[in-house]
Amino acid sequence: AQSVTQPDIHITVSEGASLELRCNYSYGATPYLFWYVQSPGQGLQLLLKYFSGDTLVQGIKGFEAEFKRSQSSFNLRKPSVHWSDAAEYFCAVGTYSGGGADGLTFGKGTHLIIQP
Amino acid sequence: DADVTQTPRNRITKTGKRIMLECSQTKGHDRMYWYRQDPGLGLRLIYYSFDVKDINKGEISDGYSVSRQAQAKFSLSLESAIPNQTALYFCATSTSGGSYTGELFFGEGSRLTVL
Repeated sequence: AQSVTQPDIHITVSEGASLELRCNYSYGATPYLFWYVQSPGQGLQLLLKYFSGDTLVQGIKGFEAEFKRSQSSFNLRKPSVHWSDAAEYFCAVGTYSGGGADGLTFGKGTHLIIQP
Repeated sequence: DADVTQTPRNRITKTGKRIMLECSQTKGHDRMYWYRQDPGLGLRLIYYSFDVKDINKGEISDGYSVSRQAQAKFSLSLESAIPNQTALYFCATSTSGGSYTGELFFGEGSRLTVL
């Protein structure tokens, strides 16, 4: 079965600084990979996804992520964070079989705090 | 209006009560899912449905049941609620077949507190 590890429970970054959130997955084949963001009191919004092609994926709000098969990683990056980026970030992995999958498997999340 | 709508958004109930959380979608998707979110545990899959006649258990289905009343409606029931079912519950949908990309589209969540 697939699994996702987000090693950092909390990360604090100064506004304007760069950001990298780590994600490692376990799955035997090429996975579908996702990053979702959850702002306080809100549902989950998709930031970006990877399922084939270019391993560097651009998303919304200035985020990008790079799929590295050799490291089983899909780290999320942003060159300069804004106070509005404070939120919970979830990495997720999905598998494809017969036209669909059994939903996504999520990591436990990384809570991002932005310092002024 | 939201594409995936959950009701109620907030509910406080007592131990032993029966609770139903409802989800409806206007996205026309075949697949629907119920997840539970707990602090520090991320989201865990409770049940999922590929169509009206296809219901599947997820990782943590014990204590829960579901009903897929129509393509657009998927309800989650707690037959006898207990305090450790206090959580934030999310409904989600996805496409299937040739247009499948794995992406889930989420509702805004239903916060359930069991006293």
